[in-house]
Amino acid sequence: KAGVTQTPRYLIKTRGQQVTLSCSPISGHRSVSWYQQTPGQGLQFLFEYFSETQRNKGNFPGRFSGRQFSNSRSEMNVSTLELGDSALYLCASSIRGGIYNEQFFGPGTRLTVL
Amino acid sequence: TQLLEQSPQFLSIQEGENLTVYCNSSSVFSSLQWYRQEPGEGPVLLVTVVTGGEVKKLKRLTFQFGDARKDSSLHITAAQPGDTGLYLCAGVVIAGRRALTFGSGTRLQVQP
Repeated sequence: KAGVTQTPRYLIKTRGQQVTLSCSPISGHRSVSWYQQTPGQGLQFLFEYFSETQRNKGNFPGRFSGRQFSNSRSEMNVSTLELGDSALYLCASSIRGGIYNEQFFGPGTRLTVL
Repeated sequence: TQLLEQSPQFLSIQEGENLTVYCNSSSVFSSLQWYRQEPGEGPVLLVTVVTGGEVKKLKRLTFQFGDARKDSSLHITAAQPGDTGLYLCAGVVIAGRRALTFGSGTRLQVQP
């Protein structure tokens, strides 16, 4: 069974630009969650999608948004990039949703904002 | 202030030594999970504990959930270089938003 895949793996952008990250969950998993990982703040929850609906949201500004498609694939978008958005963005999928269930993480997308 | 405080932040030990990593909070959690993350990869779930006082063993790793469900510990016996990585605890606060909160992590280096 293929694991969670994220594309691209690495991305370099400049301030003010926008970026879209993609996540393909494990086949049969309907819940996708997104996290931001930085050395200073650690792993922080962004949002969770289940059956194309956002079910939970972390404390991030509205510049961070996401969506989920009918095939459970998910995208995350960050607009008007800031230097502080440089981070590893991780996607995780689970079978039933409810983010306290077992989550399977992808390798992440390393975003650098210059 | 982190909702989940992990200690120590860094640990460098020799192969064969024992170690314990702690995860503490002032909040009560419905469950706690432990993950290990290696460089260039996402975290991998090791265990989930759900009952106060629960102890789970995974080979040389022993996980304990505090009686009051506010803390947890991970004990590794006879550490091996393959145990090297970032250990993260994560949980869902009972009375809060149902978001998985991660601790700051413990970076473990096991020297051969």
